[in-house]
Amino acid sequence: EAGVVQSPRYKIIEKKQPVAFWCNPISGHNTLYWYLQNLGQGPELLIRYENEEAVDDSQLPKDRFSAERLKGVDSTLKIQPAELGDSAVYLCASSPGEGSDEQFFGPGTRLTVL
Amino acid sequence: DAKTTQPPSMDCAEGRAANLPCNHSTISGNEYVYWYRQIHSQGPQYIIHGLKNNETNEMASLIITEDRKSSTLILPHATLRDTAVYYCIVNNQGGKLIFGQGTELSVKP
Repeated sequence: EAGVVQSPRYKIIEKKQPVAFWCNPISGHNTLYWYLQNLGQGPELLIRYENEEAVDDSQLPKDRFSAERLKGVDSTLKIQPAELGDSAVYLCASSPGEGSDEQFFGPGTRLTVL
Repeated sequence: DAKTTQPPSMDCAEGRAANLPCNHSTISGNEYVYWYRQIHSQGPQYIIHGLKNNETNEMASLIITEDRKSSTLILPHATLRDTAVYYCIVNNQGGKLIFGQGTELSVKP
């Protein structure tokens, strides 16, 4: 069974440029999460989807970050414009549904903003 | 969600048991204890979870004290591939995972 797929794995951009990350969750998983992980810290939740609906986006900086999960499968996280402080690893995870025990994480996208 | 406290780092000899402690003194009755680990340059990986009974699976054992204020993750025979950051998380089943800084476990030959 394929795991959570993320692309790109690495991205280097200049500040003020836009950037987008893509996530393909495990087939059949209704719940999808985007996390941000700064160096030396644990992951922090940005947004959680149940199917197409964003059910928890309280930690998403909405002035520059946006996310979508059209058709309740793949998801895209966008930053526009990127700032130096956005340099981090962006992780996507999925789980079968609300109340499930385990989240399955992708390898992450490492963003460097110059 | 209850907060957890873990030592920042631990060493373990290869082949020996690794015992990783976690304090969660403010845990509430319906909160579970979850353990995840993160190997360098990879996403976190689920290990095990429990409510109040001890649990064991193919990866590890979880020992939860009777008052549920602390727990220990046991890797019975640590290998070099177990070197990772281990996160202890307390939350409602299926709820938001709040990661702390975890314990960096180094397994040495």
